[in-house]
Amino acid sequence: NAGVTQTPKFRILKIGQSMTLQCTQDMNHNYMYWYRQDPGMGLKLIYYSVGAGITDKGEVPNGYNVSRSTTEDFPLRLELAAPSQTSVYFCASKPPGARDTQYFGPGTRLTVL
Amino acid sequence: DAKTTQPTSMDCAEGRAANLPCNHSTISGNEYVYWYRQIHSQGPQYIIHGLKNNETNEMASLIITEDRKSSTLILPHATLRDTAVYYCIVRVPQGRDDKIIFGKGTRLHILP
Repeated sequence: NAGVTQTPKFRILKIGQSMTLQCTQDMNHNYMYWYRQDPGMGLKLIYYSVGAGITDKGEVPNGYNVSRSTTEDFPLRLELAAPSQTSVYFCASKPPGARDTQYFGPGTRLTVL
Repeated sequence: DAKTTQPTSMDCAEGRAANLPCNHSTISGNEYVYWYRQIHSQGPQYIIHGLKNNETNEMASLIITEDRKSSTLILPHATLRDTAVYYCIVRVPQGRDDKIIFGKGTRLHILP
């Protein structure tokens, strides 16, 4: 298994541009998550999904959109990039059991100038 | 959701046991305590979790107080590769609200 993969690894955007951060997992996990991590800070939950067709907002959803059309993929969309969205973005997945852990991808480092 | 309180940073000498405390005084009866760590520039890595009893695996031990209001993560023989930020997390209920909220964690420095 490749686990959780994220693309791209790095990206620089101009203010107002849009982009999609890709996340794929091959472990057949129901739950998937998007987090952002600003320098020196902990992770903040953006959106999560408990299964295909179901998404929910986390702590900081403003400025982002998600979709979950398949179990494997959970893309994160930035429509109008702003400097405040400069961060490292992590995707994670988890099986549905109460005691199961999350598995994280390697992250995408995004800079908005 | 129960919140956790951790020291901002700690130092530990290489080869010694690293003991990382966490307070979670508002934890409810069905919430688990989880520990993750994040080595610089990488995604968080699961370490261990527990409900009431002490737990041990190949990476660490988790000691939970009897009243469950605090816990300690123990790395028995710390190495330089254990330098990381360690997050103590109390798990929110399962179902549509099954999400994990990370705090700022403890930055652990292992000193040679």
